[in-house]
Amino acid sequence: QQPVQSPQAVILREGEDAVINCSSSKALYSVHWYRQKHGEAPVFLMILLKGGEQKGHEKISASFNEKKQQSSLYLTASQLSYSGTYFCGTANTGNQFYFGTGTSLTVIP
Amino acid sequence: DAGVIQSPRHEVTEMGQEVTLRCKPISGHNSLFWYRQTMMRGLELLIYFNNNVPIDDSGMPEDRFSAKMPNASFSTLKIQPSEPRDSAVYFCASSFGVRGNQPQHFGDGTRLSIL
Repeated sequence: QQPVQSPQAVILREGEDAVINCSSSKALYSVHWYRQKHGEAPVFLMILLKGGEQKGHEKISASFNEKKQQSSLYLTASQLSYSGTYFCGTANTGNQFYFGTGTSLTVIP
Repeated sequence: DAGVIQSPRHEVTEMGQEVTLRCKPISGHNSLFWYRQTMMRGLELLIYFNNNVPIDDSGMPEDRFSAKMPNASFSTLKIQPSEPRDSAVYFCASSFGVRGNQPQHFGDGTRLSIL
């Protein structure tokens, strides 16, 4: 029931773009995205509540395809500060909430 | 505004000892979550409280783990007796509303090492 994220890890150069995917086997009604830097707590980025809704946060945006039970996080023109591990969190129609497997993102100069 | 406050930040103890982790949620939040994070298992939900009532404790590993929320501003997670495999970072998070509808705000975590 834990959502699966892909890729597991990605390395980018500053200014490059990345996409992180989150897929669930259960019907969802919301998807959260968090970023965790090494040795720190996860920090909330955004929440998507409607199918197909796209939200943005600085140069980071996300989409939620309710029918496919998938969400994608888009990072454009990546900055060094974007490095960390990204987690999706999914709330399913059974009122359960699980964090995904995580995606490690490293931005290099 | 004060965030979620956890104590202690670090705990090192010997196997068999009782461990108590503490959490003060953000004022006004009515949902509280305890998570455990390890390299092998990632971020696991242990227990979820709403309005001080345990709603989902399916993630509590075994009877050695117990959690309480006696009031809206305080929660504890207790491990008795502790074992080396309990070593992990334990996070407390709080949110407003019901699970899934609102962002979760995390404390800094307790790094627990059981020798």
